[in-house]
Amino acid sequence: AQSVAQPEDQVNVAEGNPLTVKCTYSVSGNPYLFWYVQYPNRGLQFLLKYITGDNLVKGSYGFEAEFNKSQTSFHLKKPSALVSDSALYFCAVREGSGGSYIPTFGRGTSLIVHP
Amino acid sequence: EPEVTQTPSHQVTQMGQEVILRCVPISNHLYFYWYRQILGQKVEFLVSFYNNEISEKSEIFDDQFSVERPDGSNFTLKIRSTKLEDSAMYFCASRKGRQDNSPLHFGNGTRLTVT
Repeated sequence: AQSVAQPEDQVNVAEGNPLTVKCTYSVSGNPYLFWYVQYPNRGLQFLLKYITGDNLVKGSYGFEAEFNKSQTSFHLKKPSALVSDSALYFCAVREGSGGSYIPTFGRGTSLIVHP
Repeated sequence: EPEVTQTPSHQVTQMGQEVILRCVPISNHLYFYWYRQILGQKVEFLVSFYNNEISEKSEIFDDQFSVERPDGSNFTLKIRSTKLEDSAMYFCASRKGRQDNSPLHFGNGTRLTVT
């Protein structure tokens, strides 16, 4: 079975400071990892993904995430937070080959960026 | 950029009534999904659909739920006899292929309130 843990319900950061939103995963085989963002009353929007290759992946709006196989983590990062980054962030995982191709999502982490 | 569209944005119904939630996936996508998100909880997979049949479903997707692609564009989720605990945000998503690593494209969701 595959699962995702987002240990923080909420992350608070001041505008201009770096931000990290944590995600750990469990999956059989190689993982495909995704981050999505959800703004109020909107659907989930894709931010970035890790499939293979470089452990640091870059995505939309200046976000990046680092895949760490030994720690089974895929933390989302941004060097300088904006107030407009305030939203709900979801990590998702699916097996890269074999098994289910259905992504499993975490509970979501609310990011609040203070002016 | 093409989008997944969902209607209605908000549906209020009485317990025991039937509801149909509608989705128009992206036109060249072949795989369709329904997820739901109970307030404050994680995004949960309900069902995936390909080639006019269900390809996978979760334990949540019991006999009160059904999906249909009645024509070339719409993809519907029917809840036969709604319960209070069905109150949630329901998201439709689509993807071009099943085994590729492309992300899901989500609609803005339908908020279902069962009273």
